[in-house]
Formats: sequence, C-alpha cells, structure tokens
Amino acid sequence: KAGVTQTPRYLIKTRGQQVTLSCSPISGHRSVSWYQQTPGQGLQFLFEYFSETQRNKGNFPGRFSGRQFSNSRSEMNVSTLELGDSALYLCASSLDWSSYEQYFGPGTRLTVT
Amino acid sequence: DQQVKQNSPSLSVQEGRISILNCDYTNSMFDYFLWYKKYPAEGPTFLISISSIKDKNEDGRFTVFLNKSAKHLSLHIVPSQPGDSAVYFCAASYSSASKIIFGSGTRLSIRP
Repeated sequence: KAGVTQTPRYLIKTRGQQVTLSCSPISGHRSVSWYQQTPGQGLQFLFEYFSETQRNKGNFPGRFSGRQFSNSRSEMNVSTLELGDSALYLCASSLDWSSYEQYFGPGTRLTVT
Repeated sequence: DQQVKQNSPSLSVQEGRISILNCDYTNSMFDYFLWYKKYPAEGPTFLISISSIKDKNEDGRFTVFLNKSAKHLSLHIVPSQPGDSAVYFCAASYSSASKIIFGSGTRLSIRP
C-alpha cells in the first residue's frame, strides 16, 4: 500500500506570494491533518479535514487555509507569504477522525526569501 | 503556551545502554499519548502509544511510562542501537478533540 505523498517536496517563494501544497493520503484513509515544523517549535497543528470538512484548526492566521476533495486528497494554501513561513509542512493521514495513529508524508520544505 | 514539553533538545547515549526520553504535559484532559520517531528528510513514524488508563506499555525494545500525577511520560529504549539515532517527538491528545499536540522533539544520538 502506498504511503502518504506530498508534492512538491521543495519550494522556494518570495515574500508576498502565495503557495499551494498537495497531499495524497494512504488509500482508504479519510482524515488528513497538516502540521508545520520549525526548528525548536516541534510540530504545530494547522488543521484537520475529514470527509471534505475542516474538523479542527490550530492557532494560525487566516493566511493559512486548506481543503479536502472527495477522494480525500487535500491541499493547503498560504497567501501573502512571510519569511517566518519558511518551514517543513507535513501532512498526515489516518483512517478516520477518531484514529490517534497518524501516518506522515515526507513533507514539503518551503523556503520564503 | 506549550502544552507538551520536551525539555531536552538532544541526548547522547552509548550503544547497548538505555535511552530515556522525557516529556511533560500541562493539560490534564489529555488521555492518549504517543511517541513518534523522525529521520532526516522523512515524515515522523508512529512508534508507541499509551492510554491514560495505563501506566506502562511495552513493545519490544520500547517502553513508555506514564505518571499522571506528575503529568510526565518517558520513553525507554533498551538496548539502544545505532538505528535509533533520530528525533523523537512526544505527542498528546484527548478524545473530545481530534488534534494531536506535539512536543518540540529530542534528538537522540547513539554513539558506538
């Protein structure tokens, strides 16, 4: 069974631009969560989607948004990029919203210059 | 406000010895705890978990201990092997919420 895939793996953008990251969960998994990893901050929860609905959201500004499609694939969008948005963005999938164990993708490394 | 804290950013242990990684939490509503392991350029992988109704869970070389009164959990790896060198994240959740809160991670290095 294929794991969680994320595209692109690396991205360089300039301040003020916007970016869209994509995540394809493990087949059969219906819940997708997004996390931001920065040095010293660990993994910070962005949001979770289940059945195309956002179930939970972390403490991030409205510039961060996401969506989930009917095939459970998810996208995350960051508008008006700031230097501090440079991070590794990880997507994790689980069978459903009540599953504690999540399976992570390799991440998208975003660099904002 | 960090609800899950890993106060040691790094730890170095000799191969064959015990590695003990610590984690503290502040939210008494947490009822499920997990440990993830992360290698460079890869996403975290689930390692072991424990429910708040238990105080110990064992899986091979990995044991997680939970002390609810102290709001503290630890991961023991015995014996430590070179392949255990990675960043370990402690995480917590509670059943009425679907999000998992992660600590900042501890980099474990196993030296020969």
